Amino acid sequence: DAKTTQPNSMESNEEEPVHLPCNHSTISGTDYIHWYRQLPSQGPEYVIHGLTSNVNNRMASLAIAEDRKSSTLILHRATLRDAAVYYCILSSKKISSGSARQLTFGSGTQLTVLP
Amino acid sequence: GAVVSQHPSWVICKSGTSVKIECRSLDFQATTMFWYRQFPKQSLMLMATSNEGSKATYEQGVEKDKFLINHASLTLSTLTVTSAHPEDSSFYICSARYGSGSVTGELFFGEGSRLTVL
Repeated sequence: DAKTTQPNSMESNEEEPVHLPCNHSTISGTDYIHWYRQLPSQGPEYVIHGLTSNVNNRMASLAIAEDRKSSTLILHRATLRDAAVYYCILSSKKISSGSARQLTFGSGTQLTVLP
Repeated sequence: GAVVSQHPSWVICKSGTSVKIECRSLDFQATTMFWYRQFPKQSLMLMATSNEGSKATYEQGVEKDKFLINHASLTLSTLTVTSAHPEDSSFYICSARYGSGSVTGELFFGEGSRLTVL
């Protein structure tokens, strides 16, 4: 499975944009890039995903490098509720699980939002 | 969005007993569910893939006889930790993919179940 590399931690001020980087230099052509976040003592929450083009939704934007070896999750205005561990994940497919792509979590980035 | 619910959210048991954790997709059908385990300050580790109507697929190093998975219906998967020991204490999380046949859609996760074995 292709691996991702993220900074262990980042800080941001409230109301300011946050750019969370992720490197995935061994990504394959069929791997999707997913971002999830996890608040303390909760299950992960879907944020956004993409393949090649940049993506926007109500939560965030995903900027994908042209060579797909890196991507950046952009939170346009950080709030205190955005403090969480953010995981950048590449979806992988295993024959034994049929068509269901499973997700392999890395260590993620702990985002601290300062008031 | 789609909802995945786990029960119980926390459980404390004595060493040697068995504990069952349920994972339900409340408003959609899930032919496949995934079970993860998370130790304190660590990331999620995939334990197994639960397939409705067939045997679960376990990740390397996960004992299938200790972690019994049953996916009896399209909305329910259960994980039973048999003969639990203190080292099994962890945060267990299930997830399901919304959208039949979708291979790229988002995964919805349960709230997690915290198991403490005394």
